[in-house]
Amino acid sequence: DAGVTQSPTHLIKTRGQHVTLRCSPISGHKSVSWYQQVLGQGPQFIFQYYEKEERGRGNFPDRFSARQFPNYSSELNVNALLLGDSALYLCASSFLRREGEQYFGPGTRLTVT
Amino acid sequence: GEDVEQSLFLSVREGDSSVINCTYTDSSSTYLYWYKQEPGAGLQLLTYIFSNMDMKQDQRLTVLLNKKDKHLSLRIADTQTGDSAIYFCAETTTRRTGGFKTIFGAGTRLFVKA
Repeated sequence: DAGVTQSPTHLIKTRGQHVTLRCSPISGHKSVSWYQQVLGQGPQFIFQYYEKEERGRGNFPDRFSARQFPNYSSELNVNALLLGDSALYLCASSFLRREGEQYFGPGTRLTVT
Repeated sequence: GEDVEQSLFLSVREGDSSVINCTYTDSSSTYLYWYKQEPGAGLQLLTYIFSNMDMKQDQRLTVLLNKKDKHLSLRIADTQTGDSAIYFCAETTTRRTGGFKTIFGAGTRLFVKA
């Protein structure tokens, strides 16, 4: 079975631009969470979606938004990119609406110049 | 507030046991996790423990939970060079929305010397 997949693998953007990152969960998983991992730090929770509804949000500005599609895949959008948005963006999927085993994708490395 | 703290580095000799410690602050945590991250890779779920348990063993891995002190530890028996990686402790709490939020520590970098 395929694990969590994310695209693209790497991305370079300029300050002020917009970016869309994509995630496909493990088959059968209905919950998707997004995390930002800055170099040398642990992942920071951004969003959790379950059944296409936002169920949790971390302390990130409104420039960050996400959505989940009927097939449970998800997009993370970031507007007006800042240098500080450079990070590894991780997606995790889980079966339950509540907490449980979360499985992570390989991440998208975003560099903002 | 929600916070997870870990020591930053641990160095052990191959064949010895490694113990990585973690403290957390949210007493309503329901699941506590250990993840492994190798350079340039995503996070690999190693093991997790329910908050109503105090120990879980899975092959070379032993997780101990002291809920009173909010202390979690991961013991790796017979540590191998392939165990060299960053280990993250994480806690999950349920939100009022019915969803959940996971808080990670900064990670402990484990060096295994041959």
